[in-house]
Amino acid sequence: DTAVSQTPKYLVTQMGNDKSIKCEQNLGHDTMYWYKQDSKKFLKIMFSYNNKELIINETVPNRFSPKSPDKAHLNLHINSLELGDSAVYFCASSTGTKGTIYFGEGSWLTVV
Amino acid sequence: SQQGEEDPQALSIQEGENATMNCSYKTSINNLQWYRQNSGRGLVHLILIRSNEREKHSGRLRVTLDTSKKSSSLLITASRAADTASYFCATDALGAGNMLTFGGGTRLMVKP
Repeated sequence: DTAVSQTPKYLVTQMGNDKSIKCEQNLGHDTMYWYKQDSKKFLKIMFSYNNKELIINETVPNRFSPKSPDKAHLNLHINSLELGDSAVYFCASSTGTKGTIYFGEGSWLTVV
Repeated sequence: SQQGEEDPQALSIQEGENATMNCSYKTSINNLQWYRQNSGRGLVHLILIRSNEREKHSGRLRVTLDTSKKSSSLLITASRAADTASYFCATDALGAGNMLTFGGGTRLMVKP
């Protein structure tokens, strides 16, 4: 009965590879997000996706692309991975664009 | 720099004591939220306080908001070892939808 689930939880990959992280929410929310948490625990919003409207944080490299096959899923695809992409990536969701956001458990990405 | 910044960065107290964490932010907000993150886990929403509210309670948690000073505080009363976690404030800036901006967090350790 996990509310926001993301896979894989751990991912180790080489520089230059392309990888995806999947996210699904069963809360009936219409807005989903991706956040990145770096080694110093700072959390940064990457994307917000609501009713097919994508809001992108301008600091996110275009190697990162969210893909939403339906309202319950927002996957994160990363091309040409770099060492600096190593971080924990959190998927989240909410109803509308206000109020409480529910987070997944995170995906630990390590680029070697 | 982060919209929300927590102070202190780390706090160590004995069980039964109160823990106070502060958050400062820079721009006008719709609301401010506090989240908790246990080590290796996702973020869990604790409490949301709107810009027109000054204080809010939830169990052992008390949150205050001073919009004139652009600051908030989270007080955990009668702390328990299980309260050991990182605590983050997040602001929903005016006009930013639900693109929450997080501070760097306060790492709280409650010693039994």
